[in-house]
Amino acid sequence: AQSVTQLDSQVPVFEEAPVELRCNYSSSVSVYLFWYVQYPNQGLQLLLKYLSGSTLVKGINGFEAEFNKSQTSFHLRKPSVHISDTAEYFCAVSDPWTGRRALTFGSGTRLQVQP
Amino acid sequence: DVKVTQSSRYLVKRTGEKVFLECVQDMDHENMFWYRQDPGLGLRLIYFSYDVKMKEKGDIPEGYSVSREKKERFSLILESASTNQTSMYLCASSSSGGQNTEAFFGQGTRLTVV
Repeated sequence: AQSVTQLDSQVPVFEEAPVELRCNYSSSVSVYLFWYVQYPNQGLQLLLKYLSGSTLVKGINGFEAEFNKSQTSFHLRKPSVHISDTAEYFCAVSDPWTGRRALTFGSGTRLQVQP
Repeated sequence: DVKVTQSSRYLVKRTGEKVFLECVQDMDHENMFWYRQDPGLGLRLIYFSYDVKMKEKGDIPEGYSVSREKKERFSLILESASTNQTSMYLCASSSSGGQNTEAFFGQGTRLTVV
């Protein structure tokens, strides 16, 4: 069975500072990886996804993530955050090879950007 | 603009009531999902459906059932609501085609059972 671990439940950071949100997954086969963002009182919106190919994936709002197969990680980064990036971020994995069509999510990381 | 619409943003129900949460998608997606979201636990899969009238249990199906009579509509049913079902419920849909595995989410329904 696959699982996703987000090591930090909360990450406080000052505006214009860089940030990294960590995600590790466990799966015995190749997987698809996703980062979603949830703004207050809203549903989830896709930030970026890794399916195959280049291990560095660029997403919306200046975010990027790097897939590291040997470390089974998919950390999310942004070089300079804005107040508007304050939200909850979820890492998710799907395993197309087993036929499980649903995403498995981590517990989320709340990013708090302070002025 | 793709859309997944949940019928209610907020609901308050009494213990023991039968509760229906409705979800409609306009993207002709084959797959539809119901998740519940609780602080510190992320999103947990309750049920999903990959075709009309087809359903599979997710990770936490106890106390819930689902119905998919039409491709665009997926309903979550709480047969007898209990206070431990107070939560945020999120519906999602996705395509089965190729690498289009991205899931699109509704705005969520915050259910309070009193």
